[in-house]
Amino acid sequence: QKEVEQNSGPLSVPEGAIASLNCTYSDRGSQSFFWYRQYSGKSPELIMSIYSNGDKEDGRFTAQLNKASQYVSLLIRDSQPSDSATYLCAARNTDSWGKLQFGAGTQVVVTP
Amino acid sequence: EADIYQTPRYLVIGTGKKITLECSQTMGHDKMYWYQQDPGMELHLIHYSYGVNSTEKGDLSSESTVSRIRTEHFPLTLESARPSHTSQYLCASSALSGSGGSGANVLTFGAGSRLTVL
Repeated sequence: QKEVEQNSGPLSVPEGAIASLNCTYSDRGSQSFFWYRQYSGKSPELIMSIYSNGDKEDGRFTAQLNKASQYVSLLIRDSQPSDSATYLCAARNTDSWGKLQFGAGTQVVVTP
Repeated sequence: EADIYQTPRYLVIGTGKKITLECSQTMGHDKMYWYQQDPGMELHLIHYSYGVNSTEKGDLSSESTVSRIRTEHFPLTLESARPSHTSQYLCASSALSGSGGSGANVLTFGAGSRLTVL
C-alpha cells in the first residue's frame, strides 16, 4: 500500500465547474499536508498547505483535511483551462526527518 | 530574488560519461532534496540533506551520488551514465522544520534537469 494515494485520472471538468480531488494517507501521525500543481514538463509548485482539520480557502482553491479519516481533498472552483495540470498531494512524515511523501498525482483536464 | 537554480536544464550525453547536475539555492534553506521523475510518472526521492556534510539516500535506489559542502549547493553526480538514467531530475529545498506547519517542509522546486543518455 502506498503511503499517499490519489486517483490518477484524468479528471475531466467543464470550464466553470468545480474540480474535486481526493487523497488518502496511511501515516496516522502525519500532521502537515500539501497540494502541488505540476504542469506538463514543468516542476511542481505549491498551491495549498493545510495542517488542521477543516477547510482552508485561498482564492478559488479550498483544501479540506479530516485526520480521523486520513483524508485530504482539494476543490477548485470556477475551473479554468489554465487549471489543467497534474495535482500532487503530499504528507509530511512523522519520522525525525519529516520528509514529504508524494502521491502519484491526479491529472485534471478542464474543457472549454 | 531568493530562488533555486538547476543547471543544465537539458543534457544529452553518451553512455559511460560522467555528469554532474548542479543545484543552488539562495533562500538559506538547510534541507535540500533530489527527486527523479519520468514523464507522466510520480516523484521519487533519491537523495536528501539536512545540512553541510550531511547526505542520505532516499526511497528510490539510485546510482548517483551527492555532496553538500556548502549550504547553498547540492550537486548530483553520475560517474558513468547509462540509458536507464534518462529521466528528469528535480532539486528542491526547504527550511529546517521546528514543528508542524508555519512553512516547515514547504518544498520549493527548481526548474529541473532533463537528462537523456544515448
